[in-house]
Amino acid sequence: GENVEQHPSTLSVQEGDSAVIKCTYSDSASNYFPWYKQELGKGPQLIIDIRSNVGEKKDQRIAVTLNKTAKHFSLHITETQPEDSAVYFCAARDSGYALNFGKGTSLLVTP
Amino acid sequence: SAVISQKPSRDICQRGTSLTIQCQVDSQVTMMFWYRQQPGQSLTLIATANQGSEATYESGFVIDKFPISRPNLTFSTLTVSNMSPEDSSIYLCSVARERDQPQHFGDGTRLSIL
Repeated sequence: GENVEQHPSTLSVQEGDSAVIKCTYSDSASNYFPWYKQELGKGPQLIIDIRSNVGEKKDQRIAVTLNKTAKHFSLHITETQPEDSAVYFCAARDSGYALNFGKGTSLLVTP
Repeated sequence: SAVISQKPSRDICQRGTSLTIQCQVDSQVTMMFWYRQQPGQSLTLIATANQGSEATYESGFVIDKFPISRPNLTFSTLTVSNMSPEDSSIYLCSVARERDQPQHFGDGTRLSIL
């Protein structure tokens, strides 16, 4: 089955800096890659996603890049703010429409 | 996106008992899923809830332990049966309007077993 690896497990940045989280996947049939933000006590919230026919997608301060050949995708957050502090999960969707999640990255943005 | 309500939001249960978790969506959705998130861990898919038929379980999860119902396109239940402390987790419902659409999550049910 699909295996998703996510790095780093923790990331601390200063407010205003950029943050990058990277994921790799194993199943070349995976074609959809969402990113979720989970705050304490809440369910995961979809923040951005990308399909395999696109190399990059941007939404304000958040961007995702996908390299299908290398089977990796990354989340980029620019001009980070304290409210960006949360756990971020990447995922890959297989042909059965189930999501396979990475282990998560705990992001801390310090003022 | 759809509004997803899970009940209860949290519970503390005695070992050996069972608890049924409800997931209600404010609009019809094709796909409903149940995930487990153990403390400080990632999300693991338990099963896909199929409307009008038996759920599709992932490896390591069985119907006797996690019976699931989905009577219509807006509602599903997950029962955690014969609970033990190892079942202490967050149980999350997610939905997708269509098969190839994004999944959205409820806020989960935080379950502790004593």
